[in-house]
Amino acid sequence: SAVISQKPSRDICQRGTSLTIQCQVDSQVTMMFWYRQQPGQSLTLIATANQGSEATYESGFVIDKFPISRPNLTFSTLTVSNMSPEDSSIYLCSVEKGTSGTYNEQFFGPGTRLTVL
Amino acid sequence: QKEVEQNSGPLSVPEGAIASLNCTYSDRVSQSFFWYRQYSGKSPELIMSIYSNGDKEDGRFTAQLNKASQYVSLLIRDSQPSDSATYLCAVGGMDSSYKLIFGSGTRLLVRP
Repeated sequence: SAVISQKPSRDICQRGTSLTIQCQVDSQVTMMFWYRQQPGQSLTLIATANQGSEATYESGFVIDKFPISRPNLTFSTLTVSNMSPEDSSIYLCSVEKGTSGTYNEQFFGPGTRLTVL
Repeated sequence: QKEVEQNSGPLSVPEGAIASLNCTYSDRVSQSFFWYRQYSGKSPELIMSIYSNGDKEDGRFTAQLNKASQYVSLLIRDSQPSDSATYLCAVGGMDSSYKLIFGSGTRLLVRP
């Protein structure tokens, strides 16, 4: 597995502002992912963060709204831009960290709980 | 549209019973299957991975996979109140994208 930390753990923000969420992993990983989980809902993939290249966004998510950085193999940031109350959610980063005989196993950070007023 | 379906529950079982959680998926070429446990207010925790047809046991947990029926299940033996959580089924492929598709989760309640 992997030890993953996220900052901040929670925040309350005003409409129209932006928040940058950090994700730090204790070892180098190739694949990092950003998810959103709205109250009572399952996980929705926002984008895959690739080191050294542009992030790959899922349908319904765009770079202008959710810019992502991946400067190295242990760190990524997700920015939620020009926030509205609809962006209130839990944002989770995950990493793919397989061991021998496994693949696609993802491990999640503790999440960032965002409330937009 | 790839889909993963789970009964939302809640599934209520008495302490000590076997809890059976089910999941179906639509993409026939899926190759990797996972069960995550998520306690309220916490992030998902990987508890089981399964890749081949049949059963895989780990302690009180058994994952069962039937690719022909596109069905994966999780059995929890000797259920404990601490097992009360939402269980998420996730399905992936073997392509380079490593994307997982998550079900909506089944809430399990183990009654003391």
